[in-house]
Order: sequence, then structure tokens, then C-alpha cells
Amino acid sequence: SQKIEQNSEALNIQEGKTATLTCNYTNYSPAYLQWYRQDPGRGPVFLLLIRENEKEKRKERLKVTFDTTLKQSLFHITASQPADSATYLCALVNAGNNRKLIWGLGTSLAVNP
Amino acid sequence: GAGVSQTPSNKVTEKGKYVELRCDPISGHTALYWYRQSLGQGPEFLIYFQGTGAADDSGLPNDRFFAVRPEGSVSTLKIQRTERGDSAVYLCASSLMGYSGTGELFFGEGSRLTVL
Repeated sequence: SQKIEQNSEALNIQEGKTATLTCNYTNYSPAYLQWYRQDPGRGPVFLLLIRENEKEKRKERLKVTFDTTLKQSLFHITASQPADSATYLCALVNAGNNRKLIWGLGTSLAVNP
Repeated sequence: GAGVSQTPSNKVTEKGKYVELRCDPISGHTALYWYRQSLGQGPEFLIYFQGTGAADDSGLPNDRFFAVRPEGSVSTLKIQRTERGDSAVYLCASSLMGYSGTGELFFGEGSRLTVL
């Protein structure tokens, strides 16, 4: 069956450390993958997109990698801050005619001061 | 407008009642999406509009759910004979190009529906 999985347990890290969140997928061939941030009571906010032919994308303290062999994307926040605490969602679009975004459940990140 | 606007932000209704949720997308965005999200879950796709037409309504759970976008801008999600299981946050998003592009989705803050 097709699945997209993110760390189910909340991630707690110390301020200043690098947070690494995982998105694994099964039986998909993603054309691209997106990462979003969601704060409680708010809608998701787009962070980064990475395409199937890209290995890595960076934006300020954020870095996303995409390994189509491992069927995995990693999302890194360097020099983490308490303000980075939120839920992070990955979503992919499968190659083919149906271009619907398919969402993971999200991983909750808490950065402790 | 500056962002995607959804109203009401909160709606409490009784089982069996009819509900309408409104979404005002970013000006110029031709694509509009409705999702619903339960606690601890990712967004669940309901319907996608490209302009005035529903290009993909495969996520609507049953015929109690219907959505319109008559002028290609504001959209209304309509739920008939509400059930307790319909309780969730209903999110609206818009984007510049929809399925033909890879663009980011811009989400509203959601409408929290509670069916008693």
C-alpha cells in the first residue's frame, strides 16, 4: 500500500542544536516534495520544495534533502530556536496525471531554551 | 486580499443541521483547495477548483458535501445533514497554478466545525 510516514513521536531538542525530521514514503514516485510548518490553531505555511532530481535545498537555517533510493526526505533546522517549535508536515506529489498533494501526519518539534 | 480568508473561524452546530463555510483566496490565484484536518492528522484533501470548475472532487467523503466557486474567486463548502464525525478544522488553500505547477499552497487559518 502507499504510505507517507513522519516521526510519530514529538522531537525535543535543546536550543542551538540541529533538529532533523524524517519523511519516508512507500510505493510512490514523487515528482516533488514540500515541507510546511503548522502552529497550533493556524493553517500550514510553506517552507521548501525539492524536486525528484535535486539532492538538497537550502533556505537560511533550513535544509531539505531528498534520497529517492532510500525513499526519504530529511528536514534540518540548524541553530534551532524556541520559535522553531511547531508541527512540520511533509507532502508529496506523485509523478503522473494526478497532481494532488499527499500529506504526512506531521512531526511535533519542541525546542527548549 | 493579503492572504486567504476563511469564515467563520468557529462554528458549532447540531447534528442534522446545514453548514456553509466560506473561503476568500488570494487575489489572482486560480487554484483553490479544500482540506479538512483532525487533531494529530495531516490535511485530508476534499476538492480542488481550477477557476470556476471542480477539477478534482475525489476527496469529498459523500454526497452531503458540496462546494462551489461560481465566479472563480470566493468558494463555499456546504455540508448537509451534519454528523458528529464531520467535526474537524476545514482548511482552504489557494495557489497560482494548481495541478499544472509546483507552487506552494497558501492556507487560511481554517474554520473549526463542531457538530454536537
